[in-house]
Amino acid sequence: NAGVMQNPRHLVRRRGQEARLRCSPMKGHSHVYWYRQLPEEGLKFMVYLQKENIIDESGMPKERFSAEFPKEGPSILRIQQVVRGDSAAYFCASSLTSAGQETQYFGPGTRLLVL
Amino acid sequence: AQKITQTQPGMFVQEKEAVTLDCTYDTSDQSYGLFWYKQPSSGEMIFLIYQGSYDEQNATEGRYSLNFQKARKSANLVISASQLGDSAMYFCAMALTGANSKLTFGKGITLSVRP
Repeated sequence: NAGVMQNPRHLVRRRGQEARLRCSPMKGHSHVYWYRQLPEEGLKFMVYLQKENIIDESGMPKERFSAEFPKEGPSILRIQQVVRGDSAAYFCASSLTSAGQETQYFGPGTRLLVL
Repeated sequence: AQKITQTQPGMFVQEKEAVTLDCTYDTSDQSYGLFWYKQPSSGEMIFLIYQGSYDEQNATEGRYSLNFQKARKSANLVISASQLGDSAMYFCAMALTGANSKLTFGKGITLSVRP
């Protein structure tokens, strides 16, 4: 009974390196959302994907950030040339449908620390 | 745009007592869902309860109930019979009913349960 899986749980990168965060949704879920949580803040929406499609990326910075959800395999959030301000917890959530009443189930998050 | 407001400072409650965590929201849409999530110190996001904007009855899930007052745009979480394990951050969130149900979160409230 696997829930939403995220790896790695913790990731340390130096400025300028790339960070790749992975998310495997719950079985049967084809809708994936990525959120970012800065210290002492609530979660902020970044991007919403369905299989092979980006539906809404309005919350994602225009540069250095990209996301994908291929037909096979996990969803990937990629941050190129990381900066200290990228240090945050990144959460992935999945849902069965995109309907507003559909509960999103969250993964444990990836804590990214940029040195 | 949707907005969630959680303005209470850190809350304290005695074990076995009830506590209410406040949440107000703002949206011009008529169809939406309201959610509460719990984030313990371990960091994961745990879904607690959901209320639809057209639901006539307040939602309940075990010791959690949602005091939904649509005219006042409030969706307060009530935790009855508090337990030490309830100590955590609590986030109120909302999503519109439609093709994209990305969540908008409040800043959260810290609850500490005293033995």
